[in-house]
Amino acid sequence: KAGVTQTPRYLIKTRGQQVTLSCSPISGHRSVSWYQQTPGQGLQFLFEYFSETQRNKGNFPGRFSGRQFSNSRSEMNVSTLELGDSALYLCASSPEAAYGYTFGSGTRLTVV
Amino acid sequence: DQQVKQNSPSLSVQEGRISILNCDYTNSMFDYFLWYKKYPAEGPTFLISISSIKDKNEDGRFTVFLNKSAKHLSLHIVPSQPGDSAVYFCAAPGTSNTGKLIFGQGTTLQVKP
Repeated sequence: KAGVTQTPRYLIKTRGQQVTLSCSPISGHRSVSWYQQTPGQGLQFLFEYFSETQRNKGNFPGRFSGRQFSNSRSEMNVSTLELGDSALYLCASSPEAAYGYTFGSGTRLTVV
Repeated sequence: DQQVKQNSPSLSVQEGRISILNCDYTNSMFDYFLWYKKYPAEGPTFLISISSIKDKNEDGRFTVFLNKSAKHLSLHIVPSQPGDSAVYFCAAPGTSNTGKLIFGQGTTLQVKP
């Protein structure tokens, strides 16, 4: 079966712009979580959606937002990009927000 | 506040020998732990997990040990293979059923042929 698909794989944006990243979970998975990975901070939890509702949010500024659609696909948006937002953004899905999360390959965002 | 810590950024072992990766945690409420393996430019892949009701879980070459009193877990890989070279993360669910995993900083394992 298809895994977690993230698009695009790579992205270069200019400081001040906004960006939208997409995640298609494994079919049947209703929970989608987002993580940011940077060399200095490791993997940091951004937020989690379950049945179109945000259930948990990490310690990130309001510039980071997300949503989930009725088909469980999810998007995250970062507005007013800063150089420090350069990171690998990972999406993970799970059937019921249990512990069996499957990660996508990530979107590498570079802010210049 | 780093609730899950991997204090060794890197580890190098010879092929065929044992690799031991360590992880410490501070929150005694954590009741489940996971290990993920990550190659460059890929997402983390689930490796093995352990519930706090156990002190050991084994899956092929991989064994995870949990010492609750010390708030310490370790991942043993025996025998180590060059293909095991990757970054290993330990993680714990932040709160029940909310999709939040708290990750350690990761340990880069290099297995030399």
